[in-house]
Amino acid sequence: AQKITQTQPGMFVQEKEAVTLDCTYDTSDQSYGLFWYKQPSSGEMIFLIYQGSYDEQNATEGRYSLNFQKARKSANLVISASQLGDSAMYFCAMREGQAGTALIFGKGTTLSVSS
Amino acid sequence: ETGVTQTPRHLVMGMTNKKSLKCEQHLGHNAMYWYKQSAKKPLELMFVYSLEERVENNSVPSRFSPECPNSSHLFLHLHTLQPEDSALYLCASSQERGIMNTEAFFGQGTRLTVV
Repeated sequence: AQKITQTQPGMFVQEKEAVTLDCTYDTSDQSYGLFWYKQPSSGEMIFLIYQGSYDEQNATEGRYSLNFQKARKSANLVISASQLGDSAMYFCAMREGQAGTALIFGKGTTLSVSS
Repeated sequence: ETGVTQTPRHLVMGMTNKKSLKCEQHLGHNAMYWYKQSAKKPLELMFVYSLEERVENNSVPSRFSPECPNSSHLFLHLHTLQPEDSALYLCASSQERGIMNTEAFFGQGTRLTVV
């Protein structure tokens, strides 16, 4: 079974609009971390935002926020006021259990922002 | 120079060649990773090194051989590869501190083509 599921292969949004990228996860651990990364066409993976399983508040970083619904095991990324430079692949990832384990990634969502 | 640096950025090799990918991190991290990214597939974790010891090897064929001579350098030695090994190979590092909030920092990857 997939640990991280991203059901949207592609998303389209206009500049200045908000967009939500979906992510659901599967784990039996009580302690885990959820991450979102952006991958532009250059290939580099850029860390965007982190949410810990014990965090009560949803994480926010500038225009990025993470809609964390623990009971549903979802960790959706919300990008507000989209910009053309937001066009990229977006990956949801999880780290389970103790630190020292590697990140497990979903298949990604391609976001296209148009003017 | 800061961050995670991978060389070469692009590599074309024949199936009988031997080559090596290099990764260097200047972040003082104590864990390093190799991931493989093929088209339309999630990032696949290949190897994990923590404190210069290999702690994870995800059933990777023996034609891929990692080496971690110190905490700042990671190599991936390649020999007798197959065309299906063509992919983007990403190196990452993180600081393992026994807590979950340790995002991985990625290099820009090596685009490998096996002919």
